[in-house]
Amino acid sequence: EVQLVQSGAEVKKPGESLQISCKASGYSFTSYWIGWVRQMPGKGLEWMAIIYPGDSDTRYTPSFQGQVTISVDKSISTAYLQWTILKASDSAMYYCARMSGAAASRFIDYWGQGTLVTVSS
Amino acid sequence: QSVLTQPPSVSGAPGQRVTISCTGSSSNIGARYDVHWYQQLPGAAPKLLIYGNSNRASGVPDRFSDSKSGTSASLAITGLQAEDEGDYYCQSYDSSLSGSVFGGGTKLTVL
Repeated sequence: EVQLVQSGAEVKKPGESLQISCKASGYSFTSYWIGWVRQMPGKGLEWMAIIYPGDSDTRYTPSFQGQVTISVDKSISTAYLQWTILKASDSAMYYCARMSGAAASRFIDYWGQGTLVTVSS
Repeated sequence: QSVLTQPPSVSGAPGQRVTISCTGSSSNIGARYDVHWYQQLPGAAPKLLIYGNSNRASGVPDRFSDSKSGTSASLAITGLQAEDEGDYYCQSYDSSLSGSVFGGGTKLTVL
């Protein structure tokens, strides 16, 4: 059974750093793209970044380029999303997501349970 | 402003049929890229409904179907049930952005 289990909710202050994680199981981690999706309070879904664990090929949505870093640790089948300087506007729910399909036909077939990040002074 | 435009809300009574539109352009739906649909029930993570060429995800009842024409796609839900109430999102690939995009989402209310 495919599972994506995300790290727990975080409460941070502006200017702090943060790394959240997503542990994958039940499939070959290096064979599927995995990514992060943001959902701000009361808003829709936004792609942030995706990575192919097999070779660490990474793609960022332009609005998130330079704002976050996506990475993986293949040895423990875990994907990460990292901020070096958090802002209040980073407060949101973050979902990790496994992608299936080929190139332009990719879709998300499995989602993590979400990690709520709250940034407040 | 999402590249894929969905109506903010739709509603219907139990048992009725509703459709949710997803309007794009020549760089996404109009370019014949696949459109996928997701359901997000209140307080839950999104879930895959329909992918690729009208394929329903595992466990999704045949009350859910999709269609595509030109630069638009639609999700149809027949025999509306209270449990269908939630948010629905379309997703496709956009060649101008060289990446996948979501629609803005549509809130379905079952009256």
